[in-house]
This record gives sequence, structure tokens and C-alpha cells, in this order.
Amino acid sequence: GENVEQHPSTLSVQEGDSAVIKCTYSDSASNYFPWYKQELGKGPQLIIDIRSNVGEKKDQRIAVTLNKTAKHFSLHITETQPEDSAVYFCAASRRNGNKLVFGAGTILRVKS
Amino acid sequence: DAMVIQNPRYQVTQFGKPVTLSCSQTLNHNVMYWYQQKSSQAPKLLFHYYDKDFNNEADTPDNFQSRRPNTSFCFLDIRSPGLGDAAMYLCATSRDPGGETQYFGPGTRLLVL
Repeated sequence: GENVEQHPSTLSVQEGDSAVIKCTYSDSASNYFPWYKQELGKGPQLIIDIRSNVGEKKDQRIAVTLNKTAKHFSLHITETQPEDSAVYFCAASRRNGNKLVFGAGTILRVKS
Repeated sequence: DAMVIQNPRYQVTQFGKPVTLSCSQTLNHNVMYWYQQKSSQAPKLLFHYYDKDFNNEADTPDNFQSRRPNTSFCFLDIRSPGLGDAAMYLCATSRDPGGETQYFGPGTRLLVL
């Protein structure tokens, strides 16, 4: 089955700096890769996703890149703000599959 | 706004006393999921409904059951909660299974005394 590894487990950055979180997946049939942000005591919130037919997607300060050959995808947050502090999860899914497989999560702390 | 709603947000139960958590959605999605999330861990899928078709994960304990009486509602029943079942329970929906965006509710925090 699919296995998703996520690094780093914790990341501290200074406000205004960039943050990068990386994930690798094992199932070459996976074709959908969402990123979720989870604040303390709340449910995960989708922040950006990418499908295997594109290599990069951007939404304001957030971008995701996908390398299908290497089977890894990354989340990039530029100009970080204290409200970006949260746990971020990557996930992978295949079109004919039934579930998302999550990475272990990254705790992002943005210091002001 | 279309959304996923979970009630209650916090639930306290006693060891061994059955408890039911509820989820409703206004997205008219075909699939509803239940996840268990323990502290500092990723959500773990328990089961999902695709329309009325129930799909159980192989490692979900028999202690956990689910009901979906209609498109909008789905329930998680814990027949005999143990201390190890204390967790956040998340409901999510998607239009179809596989490769589709899942939208999560705010979760129900379960405490077992």
C-alpha cells in the first residue's frame, strides 16, 4: 500500500522567512496530493492541492511542487506570518483508491 | 455556507458506556469518512460510506460502528469506550472516493473517564 513520509517533523522560522515541507510517496499510481493545515483543537483545513498532471501550483503565499519521477512533493510558504503557525499534513491518493494516506505532520512555528 | 458539522464538539463518557458522535454535511457529497486522531498524530481512517455502501478499514476495532441513515448524516457509535479511545474524532466528506478533495469538520474531542 501507499506510504507517505514527511519531513521535517518540526520547523521554526522567523516571521517573514520562507518555510518548506517535503513529502515522499511510494505508490506511483497516486495522482492527487493535498496539503492540510490544522490549528490546535480544530479539524484539518485544505490549503492547497495538486494533481499529477501539473508540476507546480501557487496560491498567493503558498505553492506546491510535484516531482513525479522522484515521487516527492513539497509545500512552500513565503513571507511567513505568526498565523501560519500550525501542524501541516501532506497526503496522497489514487484515482481508483478509497482513501487519503497522510504524512506524519510538521509542526510549524513562526517566531515574531 | 456549505459545510461539515460535528456535534458535540466535546464529549465526556464513562469507561464502557456507549457513546454516539454525529456528523452532518450540506455539501451533498457521496462519501462520508470517520477518522480518529490522537495527540501529535495524523488522522487515522476508521471507515467510510460511499452512498449506502459501508467500507471498514481492516484494523478498525469491532468496538467502532457507523450508521448513515441518509445522504446528509453519519454517526459514529463506540459500543464500549476504553481509555485508549480518548481522541479527536473527525468527520470528512468528498464528492467521490479516490483522488477527490476531502473536507473535514471541526472534530469531536472525546474524553473517557
